[in-house]
Amino acid sequence: AQSVAQPEDQVNVAEGNPLTVKCTYSVSGNPYLFWYVQYPNRGLQFLLKYITGDNLVKGSYGFEAEFNKSQTSFHLKKPSALVSDSALYFCAGMIGSSNTGKLIFGQGTTLQVKP
Amino acid sequence: GAGVSQSPSNKVTEKGKDVELRCDPISGHTALYWYRQSLGQGLEFLIYFQGNSAPDKSGLPSDRFSAERTGGSVSTLTIQRTQQEDSAVYLCASSLPRGAGAKNIQYFGAGTRLSVL
Repeated sequence: AQSVAQPEDQVNVAEGNPLTVKCTYSVSGNPYLFWYVQYPNRGLQFLLKYITGDNLVKGSYGFEAEFNKSQTSFHLKKPSALVSDSALYFCAGMIGSSNTGKLIFGQGTTLQVKP
Repeated sequence: GAGVSQSPSNKVTEKGKDVELRCDPISGHTALYWYRQSLGQGLEFLIYFQGNSAPDKSGLPSDRFSAERTGGSVSTLTIQRTQQEDSAVYLCASSLPRGAGAKNIQYFGAGTRLSVL
């Protein structure tokens, strides 16, 4: 079965420190992978995606993610965290050959950045 | 509009009543998705529309749930005889069709928070 997992319910970092939010996937075929962020009472906002090509993907607000096929991971990173980065982060996968493009989401990770 | 619009933003209903949730996608987006976000189940896919047809309804949890889309634009998700376990945030997303150079990005609305008492 296709699945996406985020092993950490919450990640705490100090402002200015690097952050990592972990994601692993089990998707048959070529995976399309995404990160979304959700602020309270808001919908999901797209951050970045991996379709093919370079394993290091750069996205919005200084975030980047590294696709690692051997470890089936797609961890989200940022070199220097901001308090405003505090939010709920979702990793999602899509089967590349899927005709529907439906997303399978991880459980979500709450990022707390403290001043 | 500039983004995906969903209404109402909040809906409180009594058990057994029917509810309708509306989604207005980004203009030109032919693909439309409904997802449900709940504490126990996380984010789950419900249904996918391409134009007015729904080739994938595999996520609808029961026959009390139905959806339609008219004019290739607005979609309505209907829940009949609501139950307490239907309480969740219902999210709608839209995207350009696959293969349109769309990069497969889905853009989400703010959701409808449904509370069934």
